[in-house]
Amino acid sequence: AQSVTQLGSHVSVSEGALVLLRCNYSSSVPPYLFWYVQYPNQGLQLLLKYTTGATLVKGINGFEAEFKKSETSFHLTKPSAHMSDAAEYFCAHFGNEKLTFGTGTRLTIIP
Amino acid sequence: DGGITQSPKYLFRKEGQNVTLSCEQNLNHDAMYWYRQDPGQGLRLIYYSQIVNDFQKGDIAEGYSVSREKKESFPLTVTSAQKNPTAFYLCASSYGVGAFFGQGTRLTVV
Repeated sequence: AQSVTQLGSHVSVSEGALVLLRCNYSSSVPPYLFWYVQYPNQGLQLLLKYTTGATLVKGINGFEAEFKKSETSFHLTKPSAHMSDAAEYFCAHFGNEKLTFGTGTRLTIIP
Repeated sequence: DGGITQSPKYLFRKEGQNVTLSCEQNLNHDAMYWYRQDPGQGLRLIYYSQIVNDFQKGDIAEGYSVSREKKESFPLTVTSAQKNPTAFYLCASSYGVGAFFGQGTRLTVV
């Protein structure tokens, strides 16, 4: 069975501060991991993905994530938050023909 | 432009009625998915299809039905058996690993 756990349903950071959104996975098969972003009343947009190879993955809008097998984690970071980063973020795992999502983290940026 | 189109964007349904949500893709993807999104619960898989004329139940298929007669199309019917259908519905298609999403349909029961 596969599952994804996002720690913290709400995260607030000041503009210019580090963004850290946590994701842990459990899987009996090699993990394919993703981060998606969702703006209000819209679909999901792919930020980045890990399949194989380099464990530090760079995505759009300055985000990156590091796959750590020993910690079963795939945390999302951005060095300096911008007001436009305010959105909901979902971690996801692909396996057994299905994409399984975490419950999401709503990111608020404090001016 | 290639992409996934969901229609309508907003849909209102009276209790006891069936409604069908449309999802069309021109990305030539084999796999298509339907998810339901509720506040605080993330996305839950309703149905998915890996190939034309074949589909499988996801985690919350009760009260829903689908068809996959064409590669490009994967409509979702919300039946009267779905007791709490008010939600945001998202369709996705996949080329293998990862997925692209439509803009969603917000269904409200009135």
